[in-house]
Amino acid sequence: IQMTQSPSSLSASVGDRVTITCRAGHNVYTFVNWYQQRPGKAPNLLIYAASTLQGGVPSRFSGRGSGTLFTLTINNLQPEDFGTYYCQQSETSPPTFGGGTKVEVK
Amino acid sequence: EVQLEESGGGLVQPGGSLTLSCSASGFNLNNNALHWVRQGPGKGLEYVSGIETNGAKTAYMDLVRGRFTISRDKSKNSLYLHMTDLRPDDTAVYYCVTGRLLLTRDWFDRWGQGIRVIVSS
Repeated sequence: IQMTQSPSSLSASVGDRVTITCRAGHNVYTFVNWYQQRPGKAPNLLIYAASTLQGGVPSRFSGRGSGTLFTLTINNLQPEDFGTYYCQQSETSPPTFGGGTKVEVK
Repeated sequence: EVQLEESGGGLVQPGGSLTLSCSASGFNLNNNALHWVRQGPGKGLEYVSGIETNGAKTAYMDLVRGRFTISRDKSKNSLYLHMTDLRPDDTAVYYCVTGRLLLTRDWFDRWGQGIRVIVSS
């Protein structure tokens, strides 16, 4: 199942609200997860099952969606939030990732 | 400290073979589905392969099916990826990743630091 993320990159300032969209090629129900990757580091799970915040992840991160359209929103963007974000579907095997959204400093 | 550690990467010629290993400290891998995810230079994440907790089911991305084999050794609390017929586009950082029990309807909650594989003559 193809996962299409948009935008591929964006520039934002500290304190901004950022929204990233992920579209699935087929219905994946709510089996979508979101990961953050900082430069030179391994990815880190932020949200699973479309909207459940992983333990230890700040509440400014939130996820919504079902079926084929999903969003990740970051409220009050912080300096440590800059990096690349990936969606991933796990409804079918093998799981597939979106192409990534790079969040850069404006 | 809970962590995953990959080993076995390096430089290999096209057509060659390499086996990656993953071990865990601070927790038992035997209770998890396990996966390999890779990231080519400057590229996004790409799912490579996974194996369920009991080892009964495996999954592979199309590009590696028939060339790569995933396995686990519960007695050694370890995961492996045996890679054959390696191609330049297999060049990537390979991450060992844990899930819960199954290969689907799951999420990747622990990641190793990654190991680099370079396929070049």
